[in-house]
Amino acid sequence: GIQVEQSPPDLILQEGANSTLRCNFSDSVNNLQWFHQNPWGQLINLFYIPSGTKQNGRLSATTVATERYSLLYISSSQTTDSGVYFCAVDPNSGYSTLTFGKGTMLLVSP
Amino acid sequence: DSGVTQTPKHLITATGQRVTLRCSPRSGDLSVYWYQQSLDQGLQFLIHYYNGEERAKGNILERFSAQQFPDLHSELNLSSLELGDSALYFCASSAGLGKETQYFGPGTRLLVL
Repeated sequence: GIQVEQSPPDLILQEGANSTLRCNFSDSVNNLQWFHQNPWGQLINLFYIPSGTKQNGRLSATTVATERYSLLYISSSQTTDSGVYFCAVDPNSGYSTLTFGKGTMLLVSP
Repeated sequence: DSGVTQTPKHLITATGQRVTLRCSPRSGDLSVYWYQQSLDQGLQFLIHYYNGEERAKGNILERFSAQQFPDLHSELNLSSLELGDSALYFCASSAGLGKETQYFGPGTRLLVL
């Protein structure tokens, strides 16, 4: 099946810093989503981005489908950004299922 | 709030027991997905239903089963529970069949003692 690798596995930032999270995938995809899992376990949709660039406030994402990677940018980080960030992809298999990476655990300290 | 609801939020039970997790998709969504998040396996896809019919199966154990009802809500049944079944179970929904956002519910946290 498709492989999804996220880096870095862990990241510690001071409040106000910027960061870039990366997601590499091993095959072409129909769907790519970024999620934030907060400390209470809730999975929050950040972006649906199988290709191109999107921005939402301090967050933006870019997917280069031909090179099989996606980047999530967090600017001016806040303590509430802490949690685990997951990339998930739906391969061109004909089935609508998401394969998740192992996530990047982000801790933003005040 | 994603619009996907799951009940119960927490469930504590004993080995060998059977439990049922319930999911109501977002209004108008025809697809329901179940995912399991455990410490050792991470987040993995279990099963997908579209408009009442099973569409895809992932790493779902034979002790687990699911269905989607005519009103589009779904239930995941877990039987002969083992300690290793302790996990966070998510339901997600989407409007149709792929190439679209899947919206996740808050999850049901299952603890098997």
